Amino acid sequence: KNEVEQSPQNLTAQEGEFITINCSYSVGISALHWLQQHPGGGIVSLFMLSSGKKKHGRLIATINIQEKHSSLHITASHPRDSAVYICAVSPIQGAQKLVFGQGTRLTINP
Amino acid sequence: DAGVIQSPRHEVTEMGQEVTLRCKPISGHNSLFWYRQTMMRGLELLIYFNNNVPIDDSGMPEDRFSAKMPNASFSTLKIQPSEPRDSAVYFCASSFSAGAFGEQFFGPGTRLTVL
Repeated sequence: KNEVEQSPQNLTAQEGEFITINCSYSVGISALHWLQQHPGGGIVSLFMLSSGKKKHGRLIATINIQEKHSSLHITASHPRDSAVYICAVSPIQGAQKLVFGQGTRLTINP
Repeated sequence: DAGVIQSPRHEVTEMGQEVTLRCKPISGHNSLFWYRQTMMRGLELLIYFNNNVPIDDSGMPEDRFSAKMPNASFSTLKIQPSEPRDSAVYFCASSFSAGAFGEQFFGPGTRLTVL
């Protein structure tokens, strides 16, 4: 079993829909990261969080440390949000190392 | 700031050849990471440096892979001899870590194809 599991693996939605991507992990962590990888291949860090909730524009990330679970939400989705979203954790042991989930491929149709 | 710079962006080589990938981290960052991404295995950490010193190379596949960071502004990842199974996208990332962790900034990646 992977230490970081994401669901769903693939998600297709219509423009304007509310999107939720889930991430569960099995190790103790010092932080959780959400990354975005566009079709061109570049990887951008969206959020790094260790508790509670963070918001940036239409993106919201939440984490529940007790349940070892995080969600990434996108409100009013747009075709330009189409990308692979990757959850990664910084384990308490070796916190600078990132352990990655397998990614969620999101496609937003106009 | 120009961000993390990687070169080359694409590399096509034949099996058995030596391949050298280069990375310039963001100025002021003290940690540097090399990752490999494949369809089968996703993103994997190969090695990371802190203050130019290799901290963890447990992800390096085998002795054919080596990485150096001679100074704070430059790192190389070398594969010798290369094999077709090394074909992947190799990312370099850097961060500033005053404590246990910091946000990582990724370079554009080098797409390596070994024929």
